[in-house]
Amino acid sequence: DSGVTQTPKHLITATGQRVTLRCSPRSGDLSVYWYQQSLDQGLQFLIQYYNGEERAKGNILERFSAQQFPDLHSELNLSSLELGDSALYFCASSLRRTSGADTQYFGPGTRLTVL
Amino acid sequence: AQTVTQSQPEMSVQEAETVTLSCTYDTSESDYYLFWYKQPPSRQMILVIRQEAYKQQNATENRFSVNFQKAAKSFSLKISDSQLGDAAMYFCAYRTFYGGATNKLIFGTGTLLAVQP
Repeated sequence: DSGVTQTPKHLITATGQRVTLRCSPRSGDLSVYWYQQSLDQGLQFLIQYYNGEERAKGNILERFSAQQFPDLHSELNLSSLELGDSALYFCASSLRRTSGADTQYFGPGTRLTVL
Repeated sequence: AQTVTQSQPEMSVQEAETVTLSCTYDTSESDYYLFWYKQPPSRQMILVIRQEAYKQQNATENRFSVNFQKAAKSFSLKISDSQLGDAAMYFCAYRTFYGGATNKLIFGTGTLLAVQP
């Protein structure tokens, strides 16, 4: 158990819908990262937050957004869902933004299926 | 931009034997971190081992060790005394040292390891 929690574990929805994925980082970790794992794109970085502020964006679609709250949990919002958004979405957390010894620990992931 | 390449989509090893998974990367940076993550059928991403590029000594974690060749930009993972529980997808990942804008991990495409009893 990495200490990172994600809910829900599975999510099945229809095209055009909107969903919210939730992540709670390890106790004390200030950084949260979101990754998407799909068959065709592999594991890709989406976005990073540090202590409530957005720090970096990767290959995140405009239909997707995220935020990190004062209690440091994070939510990833996916809207106008398409079939191609079906994937495993991981949250990872780490203690600091720039420390060299900053290992990312992953949550169990949320499996999103868009029908 | 940095890239990570895993040229072995699948590997197989007999239980108790040793197997080596390959990873190469491309970067213009001199300092960085390299990781091996394991993803078993449960889909959980589990950190196996980490290597700092500025360290010449290869990292070791119990039965897992790496062969880090900085000049060749090679980072292979050796699993000794393979166990059935080692069966998983293994991902090699790169992370820039200085952080700055991001500490994102850049992943390879993975190697699926099967362990035969």
